[in-house]
Amino acid sequence: DVKVTQSSRYLVKRTGEKVFLECVQDMDHENMFWYRQDPGLGLRLIYFSYDVKMKEKGDIPEGYSVSREKKERFSLILESASTNQTSMYLCASRGAGGFDEQFFGPGTRLTVL
Amino acid sequence: LAKTTQPISMDSYEGQEVNITCSHNNIATNDYITWYQQFPSQGPRFIIQGYKTKVTNEVASLFIPADRKSSTLSLPRVSLSDTAVYYCLVVDLNSGNTPLVFGKGTRLSVIA
Repeated sequence: DVKVTQSSRYLVKRTGEKVFLECVQDMDHENMFWYRQDPGLGLRLIYFSYDVKMKEKGDIPEGYSVSREKKERFSLILESASTNQTSMYLCASRGAGGFDEQFFGPGTRLTVL
Repeated sequence: LAKTTQPISMDSYEGQEVNITCSHNNIATNDYITWYQQFPSQGPRFIIQGYKTKVTNEVASLFIPADRKSSTLSLPRVSLSDTAVYYCLVVDLNSGNTPLVFGKGTRLSVIA
């Protein structure tokens, strides 16, 4: 059973804290993605990575950074959390083939107080 | 990148067939159509994809006319558990490393 797992389902942090969201996939996928989802705005891409140590900015990278030291793990970092980063964060992975489907994790609901 | 347009929301009663149409007027020869489903508080999951004509699986059917400028996702005899957001995406066959772009989708509400 293929899986994308995220370190937490719910997280509460304070403004200014450094926050790490971890994502692990067991499908040996080259590509990994971080999205955030807010009511009325759909899924928006934050960052993605197509290989170890490679990263590309998505549509809304400001305030975030990422790390991919191993193929199976992709971390999203909020250097200094702010209240406008309260959101649902979704990690996904996908193979390199054009027809490959994308697999999502269960999501982390982050609240920044 | 072919843009897609789909209704914001739809309502249906249990047991009815639901058809969600997606418009993608500038679809390219190398593009195929894929649909994802997202239940509340979960990540989206793939349900069906196709290039042309009709594709059917255990979850849904996908109808794509000859000009491929639109596609219709058909859910037979919906139940309350089909309440979800449905996303239509157009994907380049050669886009192995390109992120999928999810719009706002169609929010389907199934009523008892």
